[in-house]
Amino acid sequence: SQQGEEDPQALSIQEGENATMNCSYKTSINNLQWYRQNSGRGLVHLILIRSNEREKHSGRLRVTLDTSKKSSSLLITASRAADTASYFCATALIQGAQKLVFGQGTRLTINP
Amino acid sequence: DTAVSQTPKYLVTQMGNDKSIKCEQNLGHDTMYWYKQDSKKFLKIMFSYNNKELIINETVPNRFSPKSPDKAHLNLHINSLELGDSAVYFCASSQGEAMGPLHFGNGTRLTVT
Repeated sequence: SQQGEEDPQALSIQEGENATMNCSYKTSINNLQWYRQNSGRGLVHLILIRSNEREKHSGRLRVTLDTSKKSSSLLITASRAADTASYFCATALIQGAQKLVFGQGTRLTINP
Repeated sequence: DTAVSQTPKYLVTQMGNDKSIKCEQNLGHDTMYWYKQDSKKFLKIMFSYNNKELIINETVPNRFSPKSPDKAHLNLHINSLELGDSAVYFCASSQGEAMGPLHFGNGTRLTVT
């Protein structure tokens, strides 16, 4: 399996509800990043959390990192139809080649 | 004023042909990348260049050859295209600390028939 795995693979909620996506990884990281991808577009960076940080906020986004469990979560509060997209976590590995390793993403659908 | 632009957006070609994808970034970043996204949305790094020097080559077949004429450009040439090369190819760039935020282009959807 991959270094970063998102869960669930797909999530469908009503507008206004909160959406939570999870990411698990296997090896030690320098940082973990979340990206959004709208259909037919490139990925857009949302937030970066370093290995020594536990929580970070950006607008309606809240990211947590638990290095002991090797997991992270992305919470989107008060979801909007425009939040419909795929969300990817990417881990920056400490060892080996300096690169970001992406998971397969969570497909989020916000129903109006 | 697109930060990372790649052309073409769509590329349809036959097996055995040779094709190129071009990428340019106007962000002043030092590092550029090629990623491949398959039909299951899995995104995998292929190459990265820092100041025109190749720093990552992820066991990509020799048919793929990146070229970086300057730090603002990173092109991808593919020889003898195969059906399995069909995917969306993304160019990206980053600046400063290693493994910082990536800025992606909008992708090139390659279809090999």
